Amino acid sequence: GIQVEQSPPDLILQEGANSTLRCNFSDSVNNLQWFHQNPWGQLINLFYIPSGTKQNGRLSATTVATERYSLLYISSSQTTDSGVYFCAVAKEGDMRFGAGTRLTVKP
Amino acid sequence: GAGVSQSPSNKVTEKGKDVELRCDPISGHTALYWYRQRLGQGLEFLIYFQGNSAPDKSGLPSDRFSAERTGESVSTLTIQRTQQEDSAVYLCASSLGTSGRTISYEQYFGPGTRLTVT
Repeated sequence: GIQVEQSPPDLILQEGANSTLRCNFSDSVNNLQWFHQNPWGQLINLFYIPSGTKQNGRLSATTVATERYSLLYISSSQTTDSGVYFCAVAKEGDMRFGAGTRLTVKP
Repeated sequence: GAGVSQSPSNKVTEKGKDVELRCDPISGHTALYWYRQRLGQGLEFLIYFQGNSAPDKSGLPSDRFSAERTGESVSTLTIQRTQQEDSAVYLCASSLGTSGRTISYEQYFGPGTRLTVT
């Protein structure tokens, strides 16, 4: 099946810093989503982005489908950004998740 | 409208007992998905429904696991003869729909059911 790799696995930032999270996938996909799982376990949709670039406030994402990667940018990070960020992709019928990037933002 | 809801939110059961987990998708969403997340790990895909049909059941971990969906709405995930290894959070998601076997719509997740098998 399709493989999804996320990097880095862990990231510690000072509040106000910027960061880039990466997602590589092994095959062409029809769908790609970025999620934030908060400390209470809830998965929050960030972006539905099988291709192109989107922005939402301090967050933006870019997917280059032909090169099989996606990037999530977090600018001016806040302590509430802490949690695990997952990339998930779907080729046919099932969505595969990466192992996630655990982000800790310190005040 | 309301989001995806799941019940119960927490379930503690003894090894060997059967459990049923319920998912109510967003109204109008024709596709429904079940995932499992073990502590500290990523999400593992189990099964998805397009309407009331499950085109691919190969993600179910064993024959103790089964799922059904009725009325293109509520779905139940049943685990028979539970084992301690089944302890995890079971997450349900729904999306507007799929085209053939391709998922092409954004998925929205419920809060999950935390299952503990003692």
